[in-house]
Amino acid sequence: DVKVTQSSRYLVKRTGEKVFLECVQDMDHENMFWYRQDPGLGLRLIYFSYDVKMKEKGDIPEGYSVSREKKERFSLILESASTNQTSMYLCASKPWDSYEQYFGPGTRLTVT
Amino acid sequence: GESVGLHLPTLSVQEGDNSIINCAYSNSASDYFIWYKQESGKGPQFIIDIRSNMDKRQGQRVTVLLNKTVKHLSLQIAATQPGDSAVYFCAEWDLNAGNMLTFGGGTRLMVKP
Repeated sequence: DVKVTQSSRYLVKRTGEKVFLECVQDMDHENMFWYRQDPGLGLRLIYFSYDVKMKEKGDIPEGYSVSREKKERFSLILESASTNQTSMYLCASKPWDSYEQYFGPGTRLTVT
Repeated sequence: GESVGLHLPTLSVQEGDNSIINCAYSNSASDYFIWYKQESGKGPQFIIDIRSNMDKRQGQRVTVLLNKTVKHLSLQIAATQPGDSAVYFCAEWDLNAGNMLTFGGGTRLMVKP
């Protein structure tokens, strides 16, 4: 059974804190993605990675960075959290030769 | 006042009725179209897909229709059940546009018992 896990379901952080969101997949997928999801705006791509140590900016990368040191793990980093980064964050993975993405359960981040 | 784009379209149906969820897409070169279902507190899950050279595809209780002329996609759910209550997203995939999915805004389906 395919599985994408995210380190936290709910997270509350203060403005200015550094925040790490972790995502792990056990399907040996090459591609991994980070999205944020806000009501009425759908899923917006923050960053994605084609392979280990490779990363590409998505549609809204400002204020975020990522790290992919191992194939199964893709981390999203908020260098200095701000209130407008309060959102649901979704991680996904897929094999390089398929379009179907498998999603994790999401992390609901609140920045106060 | 409320801002445009901050609210999810909602479809409310009676249990047992058929549901039709619509989606307009923008890229006429997309190769595949996918429907995802997202239940409360969970990540999106794949429901059904359709290739761009098809007009219709059926799954178990679900049918996807593709009208390329007007760039419109629909998801039909037969005999809607309470467990179908969720947010439904369409997504399009263009192989020549970075091997990524582009998602629609989503529609919330509420099933009344």
